[in-house]
Amino acid sequence: GAGVSQSPSNKVTEKGKDVELRCDPISGHTALYWYRQSLGQGLEFLIYFQGNSAPDKSGLPSDRFSAERTGGSVSTLTIQRTQQEDSAVYLCASSPLTGAQETQYFGPGTRLLVL
Amino acid sequence: DAKTTQPTSMDCAEGRAANLPCNHSTISGNEYVYWYRQIHSQGPQYIIHGLKNNETNEMASLIITEDRKSSTLILPHATLRDTAVYYCIVGYNNDMRFGAGTRLTVKP
Repeated sequence: GAGVSQSPSNKVTEKGKDVELRCDPISGHTALYWYRQSLGQGLEFLIYFQGNSAPDKSGLPSDRFSAERTGGSVSTLTIQRTQQEDSAVYLCASSPLTGAQETQYFGPGTRLLVL
Repeated sequence: DAKTTQPTSMDCAEGRAANLPCNHSTISGNEYVYWYRQIHSQGPQYIIHGLKNNETNEMASLIITEDRKSSTLILPHATLRDTAVYYCIVGYNNDMRFGAGTRLTVKP
């Protein structure tokens, strides 16, 4: 079946512009996660959704970052007034539930470059 | 911050077992140990996870010490396609802190 998809696959933007990144999780998956990976670094946890709600938003790096999920499916990560340090690969993952036994399935990521 | 420490890099000969260590001395009683890997330019891929007992699946084996302060991921017969960054993560599914991982290079 279809895996997690993300769009766009690549995004180049100018400093100060807003960007919106989209994640389509695997159908039926309740939990959805956003991570950020800077070049050569490990993954940085940003936020997770259980259904449409995000119990913990503390991983978002600044108030320029926001995320929402509607209908328990698609999620968008919005970065306002982008800065060069926002350049990274943004990864989305989903899992059936948030239980400890659940595997996370990752999408291919969106490569964001802020000029 | 990641709760694990791993070697930065390791090499392994093709066909041999790759043993990847991970220290997690501050693990708490109900936290799981997860292993994921990331092949260049792709999203991470789940490998295996465990709580206390050793685990085995079609991809790998996970050996967790009795005190749970360290673990080893074993790829029994490494192939060139196993070249990747391997992440050892301790936590819960909704709070997974990835560190820098171990870059495993499988050589012919």
